[in-house]
Amino acid sequence: GIQVEQSPPDLILQEGANSTLRCNFSDSVNNLQWFHQNPWGQLINLFYIPSGTKQNGRLSATTVATERYSLLYISSSQTTDSGVYFCAVGKSGANSKLTFGKGITLSVRP
Amino acid sequence: DVKVTQSSRYLVKRTGEKVFLECVQDMDHENMFWYRQDPGLGLRLIYFSYDVKMKEKGDIPEGYSVSREKKERFSLILESASTNQTSMYLCASSTGTLYGYTFGSGTRLTVV
Repeated sequence: GIQVEQSPPDLILQEGANSTLRCNFSDSVNNLQWFHQNPWGQLINLFYIPSGTKQNGRLSATTVATERYSLLYISSSQTTDSGVYFCAVGKSGANSKLTFGKGITLSVRP
Repeated sequence: DVKVTQSSRYLVKRTGEKVFLECVQDMDHENMFWYRQDPGLGLRLIYFSYDVKMKEKGDIPEGYSVSREKKERFSLILESASTNQTSMYLCASSTGTLYGYTFGSGTRLTVV
């Protein structure tokens, strides 16, 4: 199956700093999503981004499908950005089952 | 907003019990999924369903079964609970559009 690797595994930031989270995957995909899991365990979909670039407020994501990686950018980080960020990929379009990476734990300190 | 509701937030069951985890979505989504999440292992797919009465095995189906009698409800069944099934269970649904998955808030199951 597809392998998904996320880096770095852990990240500590001072509030206001910027960060880049990376997701590499081992095969071609046509479904890629980024999620944020808050400290209470709720997973929130941030982006559906199998290719190209999207922005939503302080967050943006870029997927370069031909090179099998995706980047999530967080600008002007806030303490509420803390949690675990997951990248997940699938091979069968928007309906496909997803394979998740192990996640990146982000701690934003005030 | 799409809502995915899991019936219990915390559950404690005894070894050997039959356990039902319920998941209901309110937006007429075709696709529903069950994952379990364990420290260091991330999320792993147990079963999924693309339609009523249809199911497909995910990556770790052993010890589990599912039921989808109505479009909005997808149940995960632990036939005979064991301690290695202690985990966080997450249900998700998807309509296959640009909005991606919507997850429920999870059920933390402890088998003693």
